[in-house]
Amino acid sequence: QKEVEQNSGPLSVPEGAIASLNCTYSDRVSQSFFWYRQYSGKSPELIMSIYSNGDKEDGRFTAQLNKASQYVSLLIRDSQPSDSATYLCAVNLISNFGNEKLTFGTGTRLTIIP
Amino acid sequence: DAGVTQSPTHLIKTRGQQVTLRCSPISGHKSVSWYQQVLGQGPQFIFQYYEKEERGRGNFPDRFSARQFPNYSSELNVNALLLGDSALYLCASSLGGAGNNEKLFFGSGTQLSVL
Repeated sequence: QKEVEQNSGPLSVPEGAIASLNCTYSDRVSQSFFWYRQYSGKSPELIMSIYSNGDKEDGRFTAQLNKASQYVSLLIRDSQPSDSATYLCAVNLISNFGNEKLTFGTGTRLTIIP
Repeated sequence: DAGVTQSPTHLIKTRGQQVTLRCSPISGHKSVSWYQQVLGQGPQFIFQYYEKEERGRGNFPDRFSARQFPNYSSELNVNALLLGDSALYLCASSLGGAGNNEKLFFGSGTQLSVL
């Protein structure tokens, strides 16, 4: 099992609809969860962080965390063509060397269709 | 305010050569992390440094090394380059405080091509 798993997509969503991105992780003790957006040829950009079970909203973005199910998701409301990008889920995990490391999934490629 | 700066932006090397990548963190940030991103994959953790000390390392061979300087800038060195080392190398800056809620802010990366 991969440490952080995402559906690689591509995920196509009509403009104005809700895009739903999902992520599961392997380490039950993880406490910090992040969503990054990466445009083609660019570096990752932090868009959301969540640390407690439940929902966290920031503008059109909502992050949802369920630690019991080891599941974190990102909802994008009123999707815009500018939201077309790869979305990376990142989780703080304990490495084989005993230190914490921010571990990324492979990313989900999202395309918003005008 | 300047964000995370990395140099060079692009680099072409041949197998067996050595390369040094440089990173300056956001002003006030004391921790630097290095990641390798192969096309189509998520970033893979290489090293994290805080206050000039190594705080963590990922599953990379000893050919990879790094250090952090008193001004919190950092260098990543890769020796005996292999074709598989071709990737985007990302530097990320964070405050470096205690706890594991650290938010990372990435530089624009160095694209390394090994021929």
